[in-house]
Amino acid sequence: NAGVTQTPKFQVLKTGQSMTLQCAQDMNHNSMYWYRQDPGMGLRLIYYSASEGTTDKGEVPNGYNVSRLNKREFSLRLESAAPSQTSVYFCASIQQGFAAKNIQYFGAGTRLSVL
Amino acid sequence: AQSVAQPEDQVNVAEGNPLTVKCTYSVSGNPYLFWYVQYPNRGLQFLLKYITGDNLVKGSYGFEAEFNKSQTSFHLKKPSALVSDSALYFCAVLASGGSYIPTFGRGTSLIVHP
Repeated sequence: NAGVTQTPKFQVLKTGQSMTLQCAQDMNHNSMYWYRQDPGMGLRLIYYSASEGTTDKGEVPNGYNVSRLNKREFSLRLESAAPSQTSVYFCASIQQGFAAKNIQYFGAGTRLSVL
Repeated sequence: AQSVAQPEDQVNVAEGNPLTVKCTYSVSGNPYLFWYVQYPNRGLQFLLKYITGDNLVKGSYGFEAEFNKSQTSFHLKKPSALVSDSALYFCAVLASGGSYIPTFGRGTSLIVHP
């Protein structure tokens, strides 16, 4: 099993450019998440998808959009990148339910720099 | 609302000594509590969890954590630290029966000195 796969691993953008971060999981998980990690800030939730067909805003959604393409895939789009979006982005998934123990599985991250 | 506090940005310990990384939480109802570890340039990896039952839970790599309901704490411990334990550690809480949105602490950098 690959788990949670994120692409690309690294990206450099110029201010105003757009890009889509891709995420796919092969564990048949219901819920998927996008976080950003900044020094001293921990993980902040950008958007999440509780199940296929639904998406909701997290703590820091401004400047981002998401698409839950199917149960496996959850993409994050930056329409007009800004230097404040320089960060490390993590995708995660979780299988809900007591029996599943609600453990989150994380991708390896996308390191994004906006110049 | 739920929250997690990790009061120490960094913990330093000598190899072979016991280590403790502190975590306190606030949540409505019964908590699900987790510890995750992040090595440099990697994603977070699950370490251990408390769902119900025994207050002392054991996880990967010799780590354990004790759930203390009265103190709303879930401190991570290891009897004998290794240099390879040096990493960033995150505590997380999830409210049972609520939305599946974990709340993470800001992380504690553990440095184990040879």
